[in-house]
Amino acid sequence: EAEVAQSPRYKITEKSQAVAFWCDPISGHATLYWYRQILGQGPELLVQFQDESVVDDSQLPKDRFSAERLKGVDSTLKIQPAELGDSAMYLCASSSQGLTETQYFGPGTRLLVL
Amino acid sequence: AQSVTQPDIHITVSEGASLELRCNYSYGATPYLFWYVQSPGQGLQLLLKYFSGDTLVQGIKGFEAEFKRSQSSFNLRKPSVHWSDAAEYFCAQRSSGGSNYKLTFGKGTLLTVNP
Repeated sequence: EAEVAQSPRYKITEKSQAVAFWCDPISGHATLYWYRQILGQGPELLVQFQDESVVDDSQLPKDRFSAERLKGVDSTLKIQPAELGDSAMYLCASSSQGLTETQYFGPGTRLLVL
Repeated sequence: AQSVTQPDIHITVSEGASLELRCNYSYGATPYLFWYVQSPGQGLQLLLKYFSGDTLVQGIKGFEAEFKRSQSSFNLRKPSVHWSDAAEYFCAQRSSGGSNYKLTFGKGTLLTVNP
């Protein structure tokens, strides 16, 4: 069964450093999502891509976060500079296009900012 | 704005007992509702989803959920819990308009299963 791939699985960094996370969606899925999950909370959407275009990035802290999906396939989420409050699980999901399509989640990247 | 409420932060049941996890969604003419499960340190796995039609939805691993519009609820049930069901469960609602497919999640319910 096809899966969403993410790397790295774990990342420890110091505040003010730059970090980057990578996501490879299920083949053929046009829609890609990045969610952030703080410990003890449900995931919250940071950004949604439709192919290479951003559909929703209203909750993305754009002063420090950036996301790209240049060829409409894999995606990178970057934080620069990292802050202590960025410690969280970063989840990538993908789906086929359409409101009723299921979002499939990757295993996530656990970020710890020291 | 959409909101999803899971009133129970933590539930403990004995293995073999029945289970019901509660979920209330914000009002929507056509709610698209989901239940996901998350094992420690892992991503989310879809258990079941409701878009329309029969209000009792069957999912994987023996789970089912019932949509009740009058109560704005979408509770998850399982008749007999197994130790492997211990995990965190999230209810979610999807935006019903345009091309924004954002899922709004509840805060989750942590399930502990006693032997």
